[in-house]
Amino acid sequence: AQSVTQLDSHVSVSEGTPVLLRCNYSSSYSPSLFWYVQHPNKGLQLLLKYTSAATLVKGINGFEAEFKKSETSFHLTKPSAHMSDAAEYFCVVSPYNNNDMRFGAGTRLTVKP
Amino acid sequence: GAVVSQHPSRVICKSGTSVKIECRSLDFQATTMFWYRQFPKQSLMLMATSNEGSKATYEQGVEKDKFLINHASLTLSTLTVTSAHPEDSSFYICSARRPRRGNEQFFGPGTRLTVL
Repeated sequence: AQSVTQLDSHVSVSEGTPVLLRCNYSSSYSPSLFWYVQHPNKGLQLLLKYTSAATLVKGINGFEAEFKKSETSFHLTKPSAHMSDAAEYFCVVSPYNNNDMRFGAGTRLTVKP
Repeated sequence: GAVVSQHPSRVICKSGTSVKIECRSLDFQATTMFWYRQFPKQSLMLMATSNEGSKATYEQGVEKDKFLINHASLTLSTLTVTSAHPEDSSFYICSARRPRRGNEQFFGPGTRLTVL
């Protein structure tokens, strides 16, 4: 069985300050982990993914995430938030064949001017 | 990256009617597609896995007779919501898995269904 827990339903930051969106996973095997972003009434856009290569994964738009097996975490970070980053973010876990993607509950990121 | 389209993007129908939503992989062949449902301000819930040329596999609690899935070709899967009711109103998102190259899933833009 596999699942993810996004620890914050809502995160609010000021523009230009760092972003941290937390995600913990549970998996009985080596997982693949993803972060997706969803803007209002839009589809999902892949930010980055971990597939057992480098533990620090760099994604699009300045986002990165670090896979920490000992902590079963895959937190998403960005050094400096931009207004356009305001959206819903989903952490996702799946087995190696990506046949069963399980989504976290989502974290809504608000960016204040 | 690979492109997945959905049609229509938005549909409004009367209670009791049926609605068909199409999901197409535009630049790759997908033997497996997935259908998700997303309620307002909630996460995506997997409804079913659609396999080309065979019956779909439904998640627990999803009525297969209400949500008919057909995966007739390697680039097209359809979801038909039969006898729709207001509680079926939701955002439906499909994804297509690209074989090899990491088996990554690519998501469609979603279809907003409103049942009056």
